[in-house]
Amino acid sequence: QVQLVQSGAEVKKPGASVKVSCKTSGYTFINYGISWVRQAPGQGLEWMGWIGDYSGNTNYAQKFQGRVTMTTDTSTSTAYMELRSLRSDDTAVYYCARGWEVVVLDYWGQGTLVTVSS
Amino acid sequence: QSALTQPRSVSGSPGQSVTISCTGTSSDVGGYDYVSWYQQHPGKAPKLMIFDVNKRPSGVPDRFSGSKSGNTASLTISGLQAEDEADYFCCSYAGSYTGVFGGGTRLTVL
Repeated sequence: QVQLVQSGAEVKKPGASVKVSCKTSGYTFINYGISWVRQAPGQGLEWMGWIGDYSGNTNYAQKFQGRVTMTTDTSTSTAYMELRSLRSDDTAVYYCARGWEVVVLDYWGQGTLVTVSS
Repeated sequence: QSALTQPRSVSGSPGQSVTISCTGTSSDVGGYDYVSWYQQHPGKAPKLMIFDVNKRPSGVPDRFSGSKSGNTASLTISGLQAEDEADYFCCSYAGSYTGVFGGGTRLTVL
């Protein structure tokens, strides 16, 4: 069965970086892309970016340009999302999701809570 | 991109139908037939309910349907059930391999 298992919760200080992993299994990794979506406490979903199938090309929401990097390791079927220069308003649950057409996300990870606090 | 506009809340009684709207622009909802809808229960990851405006993934009841007219997409849930109470989010392709979510709608089953 398809599974996306994310790394554990993180606590970071303002200005630090965080790297969240998303290990996938149960499907051919390169046949699907991965979107990263975050959700601040009590708030809605926010699309952060997409790393495409096959090519591994990345596209990020303008809001995160220059501060986020999404990568994949095809040898371990794992996706990564690194967010730098963290601020308190980056406190959120970060989700990875498998998909196509960027916005068709059919399997999701369990979410990783990133807390930014001094 | 700006978030798509959804009503903050809707409600209905069991057995009734409700419709949730999702309004964007010609650069997102109106420009592509790539609108998805997600259901999220508290503390859980979102679940895909509708994709490509009106297609249902396997396992999603046919009580859930989607449509689009111009810059506004809609999710209709017929025969409301208690377990449908959740938050619903629309999501649209916005060009150049980017996406945008709506602000979310809380559905209350009375």
